[in-house]
Amino acid sequence: SYVLTQPPSVSVAPGKTARITCGGNNIGSKSVHWYQQKPGQAPVLVIYYDSDRPSGIPERFSGSNSGNTATLTISRVEAGDEADYYCQVWDSSSDPLVFGGGTKLTVL
Amino acid sequence: EVQLVESGGVVVQPGGSLRLSCAASGFTFDDYAMHWVRQAPGKGLEWVSLISWDGGSTYYADSVKGRFTISRDNSKNSLYLQMNSLRAEDTALYYCAKAGDSSGYYPFDYWGQGTLVTVSS
Repeated sequence: SYVLTQPPSVSVAPGKTARITCGGNNIGSKSVHWYQQKPGQAPVLVIYYDSDRPSGIPERFSGSNSGNTATLTISRVEAGDEADYYCQVWDSSSDPLVFGGGTKLTVL
Repeated sequence: EVQLVESGGVVVQPGGSLRLSCAASGFTFDDYAMHWVRQAPGKGLEWVSLISWDGGSTYYADSVKGRFTISRDNSKNSLYLQMNSLRAEDTALYYCAKAGDSSGYYPFDYWGQGTLVTVSS
């Protein structure tokens, strides 16, 4: 099945920019969605179809996707952004829906 | 307001069976595909299964294929997951999640709070 690779952790100081990557074979040909999960809570969609933002998600959250890497970018990071972030794609292989392993964002 | 409320999670012995339910409200249930997603303690998200709006199409992760069955009753606004031949590695918080379309290709836009399944002797 299709494999999505995320770094286990990313650390960033408040006010700086965090970039969380999601690697996959030719992932640029797929649509990537990103979810934020805070401790004890259900996931929340923050970016869909590579770069679209659901209503209610701050403009500080953006996404891109090209080649073998998709990226979630969080600008002007705040303490409240500290969470686990997961990328997700739909694939035509045996497991049609795949999540990345998740990245823990720590705000220093 | 969209609400998804899962139930049915308990402690069950290896090899046992369990049926999870998800009660949906706040949207037109039979317009949307639905998913089950699980999360083992301290681990990441794992997609489990998808059912289309009318139940006509179902999909399963390889890890549960042949053991789990997803179904829905649109007259009761309910989603189900029948889990058989349970294994220790099925221990997880099971989320019910709403797709953004009728087929399931759109991302999840609403999630429940989950129900905990523990497989242990």
